[in-house]
Amino acid sequence: GENVEQHPSTLSVQEGDSAVIKCTYSDSASNYFPWYKQELGKGPQLIIDIRSNVGEKKDQRIAVTLNKTAKHFSLHITETQPEDSAVYFCAASTTGNQFYFGTGTSLTVIP
Amino acid sequence: SQTIHQWPATLVQPVGSPLSLECTVEGTSNPNLYWYRQAAGRGLQLLFYSVGIGQISSEVPQNLSASRPQDRQFILSSKKLLLSDSGFYLCAWSVLLAESGQYFGPGTRLTVT
Repeated sequence: GENVEQHPSTLSVQEGDSAVIKCTYSDSASNYFPWYKQELGKGPQLIIDIRSNVGEKKDQRIAVTLNKTAKHFSLHITETQPEDSAVYFCAASTTGNQFYFGTGTSLTVIP
Repeated sequence: SQTIHQWPATLVQPVGSPLSLECTVEGTSNPNLYWYRQAAGRGLQLLFYSVGIGQISSEVPQNLSASRPQDRQFILSSKKLLLSDSGFYLCAWSVLLAESGQYFGPGTRLTVT
């Protein structure tokens, strides 16, 4: 089965700086890669996703890149704000039935 | 638009008592449905998923069970709770066979005492 690794497990940045979270996957058949943000006591929320036929996708301060050859994808948050503090999860999927999650990154943005 | 509901939001149960958590989805038909458990606020452990009524796949052996009595209803149950069943339980849905994400409910915080 698919194996998704996520790094780092914790990340602290100064407000206004950029944050990068990286994930690798093992199954070359995976073709869909969502990212989730989970605030304390809430369910994860889908914030951005990328499909295997796309190398990069941006949505305001958030961007995701995908390198299919190396089997890794990354989340980039620019101009970080305190409200960006949360746990972030990456995931990989093939058919859309099964999703394989990374272990999460706890991001703290220091004002 | 689609919405997903879970209840109760919080639950405190003694060891050995039964459990029933309910999840319903609105605004979509024939969704995939999932139950996850999250311990200590990190890591999503897939417990069960369902691609249709009465079709349940179990990912881990445990004293929990799941049922899907209706297309958009997913129930997590236990006959006798263990201390180790404490955690944050999340229900999620996705579109069958589509390159789209999972959408999570608000979760149920279960504490077994």
